[in-house]
Amino acid sequence: GQNIDQPTEMTATEGAIVQINCTYQTSGFNGLFWYQQHAGEAPTFLSYNVLDGLEEKGRFSSFLSRSKGYSYLLLKELQMKDSASYLCAVEEVTGGGNKLTFGTGTQLKVEL
Amino acid sequence: DVKVTQSSRYLVKRTGEKVFLECVQDMDHENMFWYRQDPGLGLRLIYFSYDVKMKEKGDIPEGYSVSREKKERFSLILESASTNQTSMYLCASSPPQVPSGNTIYFGEGSWLTVV
Repeated sequence: GQNIDQPTEMTATEGAIVQINCTYQTSGFNGLFWYQQHAGEAPTFLSYNVLDGLEEKGRFSSFLSRSKGYSYLLLKELQMKDSASYLCAVEEVTGGGNKLTFGTGTQLKVEL
Repeated sequence: DVKVTQSSRYLVKRTGEKVFLECVQDMDHENMFWYRQDPGLGLRLIYFSYDVKMKEKGDIPEGYSVSREKKERFSLILESASTNQTSMYLCASSPPQVPSGNTIYFGEGSWLTVV
């Protein structure tokens, strides 16, 4: 089984930087995803980490430490449109195929 | 353009009814998933399937069953709908390679209300 924890809510200011943390416990770890979800819409893919280290993609970066069961998503130069829920998801290899389990999501509110 | 299509966007059903939620993908993916999403609980995995006629229980399979008769179609079945199954249901698919990377695709979601 898996246990994925992330903060429920965060608030940040437009133009600032925010870091959203995610911790997990799992067997058969095969990668960690970050998704963005706006209200009423399906999640959209942001990043994927399978090796330790930082992956940068424009304003978004994601970090993984497998030994610590820890990841974070870093959002720079925040914009109002970044207000959304950010979901941490862990991929696990099971005997019956790959399984993707999500955390409860972090609701980010960007203010002026 | 890749596509995961959920047959119904909004449904209202009565308690005790049998409900079918259909999901079709056009990417020849082996893996398909059904999740439900509720406020404060995030996405929770109900069932997944890694091949035709194969199914695996997720974290909350109680009250649900699934059918995967064809590769492109994965159906979620509520044998006797109850009000606590009012939720948003998301279907997803992915290819089988390990790792699957950014190749998981979601449908648009089905909002089910059970009255």
